[in-house]
Amino acid sequence: EPEVTQTPSHQVTQMGQEVILRCVPISNHLYFYWYRQILGQKVEFLVSFYNNEISEKSEIFDDQFSVERPDGSNFTLKIRSTKLEDSAMYFCASETGGRDTEAFFGQGTRLTVV
Amino acid sequence: DQQVKQNSPSLSVQEGRISILNCDYTNSMFDYFLWYKKYPAEGPTFLISISSIKDKNEDGRFTVFLNKSAKHLSLHIVPSQPGDSAVYFCAASYNNAGNMLTFGGGTRLMVKP
Repeated sequence: EPEVTQTPSHQVTQMGQEVILRCVPISNHLYFYWYRQILGQKVEFLVSFYNNEISEKSEIFDDQFSVERPDGSNFTLKIRSTKLEDSAMYFCASETGGRDTEAFFGQGTRLTVV
Repeated sequence: DQQVKQNSPSLSVQEGRISILNCDYTNSMFDYFLWYKKYPAEGPTFLISISSIKDKNEDGRFTVFLNKSAKHLSLHIVPSQPGDSAVYFCAASYNNAGNMLTFGGGTRLMVKP
C-alpha cells in the first residue's frame, strides 16, 4: 500500500540552527501538508501546498518556516532558526484532492531543539 | 481555539463491547469530518469519514454518526478489540480540496482483554 514517508525519524538540533524535514508524499497525490504536534497538545495545521505554491498557512507558519517541492517527489519543511518551542512531532500528509478525500499521514519526525 | 473538542481524554472498554468516542465542533462551516487513529511513534491513520450531507457512515466494525443540529459526531466501534487500543482523533474540514484539518485533542481508548 502506498505510504507517505518522512526522514529523519528523529532530529536533534541546537537552538538557532536551520533544520530541513523531508517527506515523500504518495505519488499520485496533488495536495501536501505539514502538521505538528507539541507533546501533550493537539495536532495543528501548519501549511498546505498545491501546484507548487502555498495554498493555506496557519499563524504558526511564520517567516521562520518555508516549504518547497524541489524535485517533484520530495516535499520539505525548513525551519530557518530553530527555537526551543519548535520541539514537536512534525507530520507530513498528502491527498489526491477533490470531495470526500482523506489525507494520509507520514510517521512523523520528532524534532528536539536543545 | 477549540473549534473541535473531544471532551473525554480517555476511555476504557472491555473486549467485545462497544466503544463510543465523542466529538463536538463549533464551526458550522465544517462539512467534512474524519476520524484518525494514532499509535505511539506513528502518524495518524485514517479510519472513517462522513460528509455533512449524511448522518451515518459505516465501515465494518466502525460507524460514524453525525448530528449537525447538535454539532456532534461519534465513532462507534463494535465489537471492540485489544488492537483498537490507540488515541483517536476527530478532525473537521471544509470539504474543498486542499483544506486544512482541524483536530480535536484526542481520546485514548484502552480495550481490555
